[in-house]
Amino acid sequence: EAQVTQNPRYLITVTGKKLTVTCSQNMNHEYMSWYRQDPGLGLRQIYYSMNVEVTDKGDVPEGYKVSRKEKRNFPLILESPSPNQTSLYFCASSPLVGTGELFFGEGSRLTVL
Amino acid sequence: AQSVTQLDSHVSVSEGTPVLLRCNYSSSYSPSLFWYVQHPNKGLQLLLKYTSAATLVKGINGFEAEFKKSETSFHLTKPSAHMSDAAEYFCVVSRKTSYDKVIFGPGTSLSVIP
Repeated sequence: EAQVTQNPRYLITVTGKKLTVTCSQNMNHEYMSWYRQDPGLGLRQIYYSMNVEVTDKGDVPEGYKVSRKEKRNFPLILESPSPNQTSLYFCASSPLVGTGELFFGEGSRLTVL
Repeated sequence: AQSVTQLDSHVSVSEGTPVLLRCNYSSSYSPSLFWYVQHPNKGLQLLLKYTSAATLVKGINGFEAEFKKSETSFHLTKPSAHMSDAAEYFCVVSRKTSYDKVIFGPGTSLSVIP
């Protein structure tokens, strides 16, 4: 089954404790992206990647890192999480770079205390 | 530059009545347009897309949308609402062939009253 898998789905952590949210897609897509969704602010792009070893900042990259060492994986790293990073995070992939045809993961709800 | 406006933040309909969710876009270029649905605690799922073929686009679950260039609109409709349609709906615009950013609308929450 074609899918984008995120882990963990739910996480409660404390300020400053490094964490990684993994994202994997099995559709051989070139393009992958991370979004955060907050009430009243909609979806905002954090980082995206057009191919292996090619990543770029989205609208809200501060406090996040990403890497794209393999085509299928695009982990999101929070080196020192802060409470303002409490949010619902979505990973998405697309067969066509730059289009709006995206396949989303189920989301990862992160709470930073 | 591109932008998307969803004219209603919340729409409430009775089960069995028509659904209309409005979307207007602004684009300097020929756009691709999409509608996504997000059920509670779920990721976004593509409902339908317009990429320059027929202006009336049919999607999943009985939804359809019509691209009207003169009105810069891409409204989402369904003839008869079902309880399972209650969700958040997002209109999205992108350029057809470009690395430009994908723009999400703010979303419309659809409630279906039994």
